[in-house]
Amino acid sequence: DGGITQSPKYLFRKEGQNVTLSCEQNLNHDAMYWYRQDPGQGLRLIYYSQIVNDFQKGDIAEGYSVSREKKESFPLTVTSAQKNPTAFYLCASSNQGGEKLFFGSGTQLSVL
Amino acid sequence: GEDVEQSLFLSVREGDSSVINCTYTDSSSTYLYWYKQEPGAGLQLLTYIFSNMDMKQDQRLTVLLNKKDKHLSLRIADTQTGDSAIYFCAPDTGRRALTFGSGTRLQVQP
Repeated sequence: DGGITQSPKYLFRKEGQNVTLSCEQNLNHDAMYWYRQDPGQGLRLIYYSQIVNDFQKGDIAEGYSVSREKKESFPLTVTSAQKNPTAFYLCASSNQGGEKLFFGSGTQLSVL
Repeated sequence: GEDVEQSLFLSVREGDSSVINCTYTDSSSTYLYWYKQEPGAGLQLLTYIFSNMDMKQDQRLTVLLNKKDKHLSLRIADTQTGDSAIYFCAPDTGRRALTFGSGTRLQVQP
């Protein structure tokens, strides 16, 4: 079945630690996105990539980093510079930038 | 940038109709999407409307678009407990990525 897989489902971060969230898609989509969702709030765009080896900052990129070495994969690293990382992280993909998105099932990140 | 507003909460009784409203600011939207999010899950595309349409019906779902007022609504007929979720509207302006509203939490009471 085609889709987007995010892992892990739950992740815990210690103070000062970097953690990486995985996102893999087999939909052959060019564009991939990372959104952050806080309770009772909408989705905020962290980073997006419209093609391999290229990515752009979204609205809240500070404290995060990404890479896009393969079309299928768009991992997100939450660095120690992100002081408030507790949130639900959603990865999505689309055929082209701005088109309807297909979402993964999300990763809940919490701070120990 | 695009600004999308939704009311935060709606409560209805099972069998009633639900109407979820959304207002947006960017009039260049081509497609306007509705997504559904169940607890602890990702978003699923529910339905969408093209900007040259006023209405689209899809089984129990009816989408109404008023381009002049930049107002979008989603009507769910015969609402069921399984419809309890958060609903997001997302206008597609053809720019870098979709902008989502804050979401409307629909609670369906038996």
